[in-house]
Amino acid sequence: DARVTQTPRHKVTEMGQEVTMRCQPILGHNTVFWYRQTMMQGLELLAYFRNRAPLDDSGMPKDRFSAEMPDATLATLKIQPSEPRDSAVYFCASALGERSGNTIYFGEGSWLTVV
Amino acid sequence: AQSVTQPDIHITVSEGASLELRCNYSYGATPYLFWYVQSPGQGLQLLLKYFSGDTLVQGIKGFEAEFKRSQSSFNLRKPSVHWSDAAEYFCAVGAWGGKLIFGQGTELSVKP
Repeated sequence: DARVTQTPRHKVTEMGQEVTMRCQPILGHNTVFWYRQTMMQGLELLAYFRNRAPLDDSGMPKDRFSAEMPDATLATLKIQPSEPRDSAVYFCASALGERSGNTIYFGEGSWLTVV
Repeated sequence: AQSVTQPDIHITVSEGASLELRCNYSYGATPYLFWYVQSPGQGLQLLLKYFSGDTLVQGIKGFEAEFKRSQSSFNLRKPSVHWSDAAEYFCAVGAWGGKLIFGQGTELSVKP
């Protein structure tokens, strides 16, 4: 059963620490998304990649967030330094192709708490 | 700009009763529309999607949704709700580049 895999599932860290979240998209999918979910803002798109190239990261705070795809099977989202307002659930998702109607498959999320 | 509105933040229905969750969208062209469900502590699972053609779309778990262009709506329905349907439901529109724009979600509670 193909699925998007995210690690860690849960992370508690202190303010100022670096946090790295990892995602393994479904094998063969060439589009990878990072979404953030909070009570106040709901689901927000942070960044996405196609064929490992960043397409749009306008939703991401540039000063502390960075997203990369070192290879086709790994996407990373890094926060440095982390702040309490970064506490949220971070979802990675993947899809095959670029059409607006393609199904996007979500991982189970990385639940981040910054204290 | 593309947007999705889910007017109801929280809905409670009795088990066995029918359900309708509302979704309105704003999109210039023919939209691609989706409903996802999120159980507590879980990721988002696709329930159904609308591309074109038949405006009544069948999904998993007994859900269906109807696309009404004149009302810019894509409401989700289920004839008889089960306790396991308690979750948060998200409506989304497919945007340029294949990304999704989500509504704020509707939390569904089911009472026995």
